[in-house]
Amino acid sequence: GQNIDQPTEMTATEGAIVQINCTYQTSGFNGLFWYQQHAGEAPTFLSYNVLDGLEEKGRFSSFLSRSKGYSYLLLKELQMKDSASYLCAVRDSGAGSYQLTFGKGTKLSVIP
Amino acid sequence: DSGVTQTPKHLITATGQRVTLRCSPRSGDLSVYWYQQSLDQGLQFLIQYYNGEERAKGNILERFSAQQFPDLHSELNLSSLELGDSALYFCASSVAEETQYFGPGTRLLVL
Repeated sequence: GQNIDQPTEMTATEGAIVQINCTYQTSGFNGLFWYQQHAGEAPTFLSYNVLDGLEEKGRFSSFLSRSKGYSYLLLKELQMKDSASYLCAVRDSGAGSYQLTFGKGTKLSVIP
Repeated sequence: DSGVTQTPKHLITATGQRVTLRCSPRSGDLSVYWYQQSLDQGLQFLIQYYNGEERAKGNILERFSAQQFPDLHSELNLSSLELGDSALYFCASSVAEETQYFGPGTRLLVL
């Protein structure tokens, strides 16, 4: 089975930087995904890490350490529209299928 | 817009009833996934189809079933509905086992 932990809620100020952490335990790791989800809307893909290190995409970066079972999503120059839930998901190849297991999400509130 | 479509957007029904949710994947995507999202549980994987064949099963109840048709669209059938089945149901698609792209979801309310 898998266990994915991320903080339930975070608050940050517009223009600042925020780091959302995710820890996981899995039997057959095959990649880690971050999705953004605004309330009542579909999750949208942000980033994918399968090797250790940092992946940068504009204002968003994601880091992975496979040995520590740890990832973080870094959001820079926060904007009000970044207020959303951020979902960490691990892909597990152990069962022969590359299904995703999601954490419960971190609700980020950006305040002026 | 992810390119994944789902119908209907909203569904209100009564306990004991049966409903069918429909999903059309992005053009070229062979894999379709179904997820249930309720307030207290987060996104729960239900089932995956790949090119018409069932590939993986998650926490899907026996009252629920799905299929993927030759044109690659998929349907999720929910029967003997209970109050606790009220949730957002998302479909996602991917090319083989790559990044999943989610549809807008169907909001189901069971009264």
